[in-house]
Amino acid sequence: AQSVTQPDIHITVSEGASLELRCNYSYGATPYLFWYVQSPGQGLQLLLKYFSGDTLVQGIKGFEAEFKRSQSSFNLRKPSVHWSDAAEYFCAVDSNYQLIWGAGTKLIIKP
Amino acid sequence: DAGITQSPRHKVTETGTPVTLRCHQTENHRYMYWYRQDPGHGLRLIHYSYGVKDTDKGEVSDGYSVSRSKTEDFLLTLESATSSQTSVYFCAISDYSGGSYNEQFFGPGTRLTVL
Repeated sequence: AQSVTQPDIHITVSEGASLELRCNYSYGATPYLFWYVQSPGQGLQLLLKYFSGDTLVQGIKGFEAEFKRSQSSFNLRKPSVHWSDAAEYFCAVDSNYQLIWGAGTKLIIKP
Repeated sequence: DAGITQSPRHKVTETGTPVTLRCHQTENHRYMYWYRQDPGHGLRLIHYSYGVKDTDKGEVSDGYSVSRSKTEDFLLTLESATSSQTSVYFCAISDYSGGSYNEQFFGPGTRLTVL
């Protein structure tokens, strides 16, 4: 069965530091992969997606993610975080027009 | 932003009462979804629809029913609300066009409290 694992429940980084959020998936075919962000009390917003082609994808708000088939990973990165990046981040993989979701990683920013 | 609204945005109800949540879209997307979000569980799919009158169960469908009589509206009904159904409910829409799948767009959510 398809699954998505986000191994870190919480991550704390200092403002200005780099960020990497991990996502591993289990899927038989070429996956469609997504990262969403949810600010406190808000709905979910798409950060970026990978369907095919270049394995490094750029998203909104300065985020990028790299698809690595050999590692079944789709990690999210940002070179320098801002206090406004504090939110919960969800990785998801498409499975027959449904999304299989990771449990989320809560990002905490230290001033 | 995708045109998705949810109503009501907040609701408090009592155990045993029926509750209906509405999701309305203006995007003419084929697929619509209902999720619940609870701490520690992320998003869990309740039901989804792949067209008018075409619906299917998700992983946590017990105690919920849905209906879709028009492309733009997807209703979620709790026939007899229980405290375990206290949650935040999100509606999402997506489409499949031009040979590629598109991402899901989310509504603002409905916070439901069952006392």
